[in-house]
Amino acid sequence: QIQLVQSGPELKKPGESLKISCKASGYTFTDYAMQWVKQAPGKGLQYMGWINTQTGKPTYADDFKERFVFSLETSASTAYLQINNLKNEDTATYFCARNRYFDYWGQGVMVTVSS
Amino acid sequence: DVVMTQTPVSLSVSLGGQVSISCRSSQSLVHNNGNTYLSWYLQKPGQSPQLLIYKVSNRFSGISDRFSGSGSGTDFTLKISRVEPDDLGVYYCGQGTQYPYTFGAGTKLELK
Repeated sequence: QIQLVQSGPELKKPGESLKISCKASGYTFTDYAMQWVKQAPGKGLQYMGWINTQTGKPTYADDFKERFVFSLETSASTAYLQINNLKNEDTATYFCARNRYFDYWGQGVMVTVSS
Repeated sequence: DVVMTQTPVSLSVSLGGQVSISCRSSQSLVHNNGNTYLSWYLQKPGQSPQLLIYKVSNRFSGISDRFSGSGSGTDFTLKISRVEPDDLGVYYCGQGTQYPYTFGAGTKLELK
């Protein structure tokens, strides 16, 4: 069955960096784009952008063009989200999801940024 | 960016009842290829969102026929009939037609 399994929760200080993983299984990884979505505590879904799993080319929504990096390890069917220079407002759950339909979602990674 | 406006913000329903959620987009969601990439999602408490409906009216794998989607252009509706306890949570519409993709603010479905 198709699954997206994400890495575990993170507790970081402002200014630090982190890298979240999203491991896909049950389908051919390079056949579908990978999307990233942010959900701040108690808030709705905010689209961050996507990465082309065939070329590795990332595309970022405007709010995520600085400090955010999408990458791949195709041999491991894994997508990554790196956030640099963490800020308090990065505290949120981050989801990966497959293709433009967001048909399969990871379980989410809760990131807490606090001094 | 395409703004997705969902109404109502919250909805109370009795078990077995029927509800409708509206989603309006600020621009037409008809893609150049003729498809309309409007989807509906349900996020249950403490869980990831799950896809219910894609391309306006297509139920995703395993989704009950109690869920139906309709609409065109900029106006879309999700109907849920014979509401069950497992249907409770926050419903989002989302568009995958125009980049950046966007979501509505959500509609919380609660028990009356």
